[in-house]
Amino acid sequence: DAKTTQPNSMESNEEEPVHLPCNHSTISGTDYIHWYRQLPSQGPEYVIHGLTSNVNNRMASLAIAEDRKSSTLILHRATLRDAAVYYCILRDRGQGGSEKLVFGKGMKLTVNP
Amino acid sequence: DSGVTQTPKHLITATGQRVTLRCSPRSGDLSVYWYQQSLDQGLQFLIQYYNGEERAKGNILERFSAQQFPDLHSELNLSSLELGDSALYFCASSVWVGGGTDTQYFGPGTRLTVL
Repeated sequence: DAKTTQPNSMESNEEEPVHLPCNHSTISGTDYIHWYRQLPSQGPEYVIHGLTSNVNNRMASLAIAEDRKSSTLILHRATLRDAAVYYCILRDRGQGGSEKLVFGKGMKLTVNP
Repeated sequence: DSGVTQTPKHLITATGQRVTLRCSPRSGDLSVYWYQQSLDQGLQFLIQYYNGEERAKGNILERFSAQQFPDLHSELNLSSLELGDSALYFCASSVWVGGGTDTQYFGPGTRLTVL
């Protein structure tokens, strides 16, 4: 499974944008970039995913570098509820493979009021 | 609420015992995954079932087994429990297999404490 690298932690202020980086220099052409987050005392929660183009949904935006070796999850206005551990995960879209998620250590986001 | 339910929420038992964790996937989801989260190992994939059949195995101990029933609910059986098995066990479900794009929906977890 291809590896991702994230900072251990980040801090942001409430109602300000926050950019969460992820490096994946060994990404293959068939790997999708997924982000999940885990709020305290809860199960992981899907945030967003993409392949090559930038993606937006109601929760966040995903900016993918042109060479796909890095990506950035963007929370446009951080709220206290966004305080969580964020996981950047690569998933192979090859047919027949398991859809399991391989979690790294993730990055803890602290949001200050 | 993800739509995935897990029971029980908490389980306290003794070493050497056997327990069963239950998971009901979201309506319409055919895939069920089990993950273990411990302080030292983080979140680790254990096993996946798709429409009743085992699809993939991860770092699952031989003392652990799982199955998915015709109604698509799944059970994770943990036997000969050891102190190190104390962890959070999450079940997730997704609608289909293949493609790398499907979303997994996680349940609230079962916290197992082995004394």
